Amino acid sequence: VIWMTQSPSLLSASTGDRVTISCRMSQGISSYLAWYQQKPGKAPELLIYAASTLQSGVPSRFSGSGSGTDFTLTISCLQSEDFATYYCQQYYSFPWTFGQGTKVEIK
Amino acid sequence: EVQLVESGGGLVQPGGSLRLSCAASGFTVSSNYMSWVRQAPGKGLEWVSVIYSGGSTYYADSVKGRFTISRDNSKNTLYLQMNSLRAEDTAVYYCARDGDYFDLWGRGTLVTVSS
Repeated sequence: VIWMTQSPSLLSASTGDRVTISCRMSQGISSYLAWYQQKPGKAPELLIYAASTLQSGVPSRFSGSGSGTDFTLTISCLQSEDFATYYCQQYYSFPWTFGQGTKVEIK
Repeated sequence: EVQLVESGGGLVQPGGSLRLSCAASGFTVSSNYMSWVRQAPGKGLEWVSVIYSGGSTYYADSVKGRFTISRDNSKNTLYLQMNSLRAEDTAVYYCARDGDYFDLWGRGTLVTVSS
């Protein structure tokens, strides 16, 4: 099983801030990583796959980087609709696993 | 419209069974990999099971031997048969189109295992 450490678990920020979320793997996964956004009471939505490829329709303020064991999700200019919980997910090997989540809250 | 709609959740006693359904529209279930992912109340996401387009199935260790994933091609519907349910199976269950990452999710159905 590939373990994932996502940090921070809670991030307080203001509209317009640049925020970064980290996801570290217990072993290398090349670029087989996705990022999701989840709002309360809603299903997750895919933001990024292959570590850095933006899903169709996702705003360009979202970006992903990294390979191997260390990955980052960046929101360049936080908007009100971005306050949510974010998860990373590896699909390098079964079982697919998710990070513990990062809640981005209003400061 | 491309969408997934789950149903079949509810309250069940420990040791009981439940079958979840996930009706797809706008695409063909049998041509895609399809997964179930669950989320316990206030917790993170946990992948549960996948069925490949060729019919192969895989399960998380936590449900292996108790849950069975299947599909009905004529109804374009995915299923999850859950037996020997435990309190720790309490969660919202989502079906998702699985291209290794999950690009389409249903709204989820809540399963509560309690006496």
